[in-house]
Amino acid sequence: GQSLEQPSEVTAVEGAIVQINCTYQTSGFYGLSWYQQHDGGAPTFLSYNGLDGLEETGRFSSFLSRSDSYGYLLLQELQMKDSASYFCARKGYSTLTFGKGTMLLVSP
Amino acid sequence: GAVVSQHPSWVICKSGTSVKIECRSLDFQATTMFWYRQFPKQSLMLMATSNEGSKATYEQGVEKDKFLINHASLTLSTLTVTSAHPEDSSFYICGAGGRSNTDTQYFGPGTRLTVL
Repeated sequence: GQSLEQPSEVTAVEGAIVQINCTYQTSGFYGLSWYQQHDGGAPTFLSYNGLDGLEETGRFSSFLSRSDSYGYLLLQELQMKDSASYFCARKGYSTLTFGKGTMLLVSP
Repeated sequence: GAVVSQHPSWVICKSGTSVKIECRSLDFQATTMFWYRQFPKQSLMLMATSNEGSKATYEQGVEKDKFLINHASLTLSTLTVTSAHPEDSSFYICGAGGRSNTDTQYFGPGTRLTVL
């Protein structure tokens, strides 16, 4: 199968750090992508991990452990504008399979 | 990142009519584009993979005769929803790039279809 599991909702306050976990099934796995989607908008690419380890892009970091079939997205110094849905997506050779998304609510 | 556009951004149509949605890659050539559908509060579901110059590859459960895909050039793919019904109302999103395991897929802004 190609299912991914991630929490449905996470809440945090401004300035905090949040980690969104994602587990996936390994058949045909090439890497793990993360996308942000604001309500009514299109998904925006955040990060991709093809190899084990941490990828850092500004306030956002993503981590992958192939041996554990696990990854996470780390959001630091949270801002109100970070309130959105975050999707992990399993990359096959050419296709993406999306998780159900995690809704992040950032409060003042 | 790469820029992908979609047109129209929203459309309202009567039941039984057909609607065409265009997806363009503006600053790169995309031999492969992808069409997704997203219902409210749900994930993106891949409908089909659009291949330039050849037939699209449809995911299981997606009717190819209802959702017609044409990828006539390296920068344009179209999705036509034929004989639309209210249950086809959804957010349709195209993706471009990501053809190989090292490429990133970028998404258009989406088209919100409402069928009355």
